Amino acid sequence: AQSVAQPEDQVNVAEGNPLTVKCTYSVSGNPYLFWYVQYPNRGLQFLLKYITGDNLVKGSYGFEAEFNKSQTSFHLKKPSALVSDSALYFCAVRDQGRGSTLGRLYFGRGTQLTVWP
Amino acid sequence: GAGVSQTPSNKVTEKGKYVELRCDPISGHTALYWYRQSLGQGPEFLIYFQGTGAADDSGLPNDRFFAVRPEGSVSTLKIQRTERGDSAVYLCASSPKQNPGGQETQYFGPGTRLLVL
Repeated sequence: AQSVAQPEDQVNVAEGNPLTVKCTYSVSGNPYLFWYVQYPNRGLQFLLKYITGDNLVKGSYGFEAEFNKSQTSFHLKKPSALVSDSALYFCAVRDQGRGSTLGRLYFGRGTQLTVWP
Repeated sequence: GAGVSQTPSNKVTEKGKYVELRCDPISGHTALYWYRQSLGQGPEFLIYFQGTGAADDSGLPNDRFFAVRPEGSVSTLKIQRTERGDSAVYLCASSPKQNPGGQETQYFGPGTRLLVL
């Protein structure tokens, strides 16, 4: 079965410091991995995705994520956090080889990031 | 339009009533998805359309839930005999097409917040 774990409900960092939001996944085949951000009363906004190739993926707003197959992880990172990065972050996975269920994404429970001034 | 739109943004109904939630995907997107997000949880897959047909409806929780996309564009999620447990944010997403590989990014709308009293 496919699943995603985000082990931290909350991450707090000071502005200007690096941030990491953790994600581990479980799929039967090879994964496609996604990060989304959700601001209050808003839908999910796409940040970045890993499909294949370079394990370090760069996305919107200075975010990046590193795919680690041996650790089945896809942690979201940013070198220098901004107060405006404060939001709810979701990791999601799709299994490459799952027939009719190729459409669905499996999401983690989300991690609330708070960046304080 | 510029993005996925959903109407209404909020819906309050009474237990036992029927509701319809509408999704307008990004123009030209052939794949459309419905997810449900309960408080404190990540989105959970409900149904996925490729064109007019439901390619995967295995996420619908029971037969009170039904969705249509008659012309391959706008979709309506229908809930009969609503229950308090149906209260959640219903998210719609679309993507350009769904190759067998499933690499496409899903772009989400702002959601419809349903409250069943």
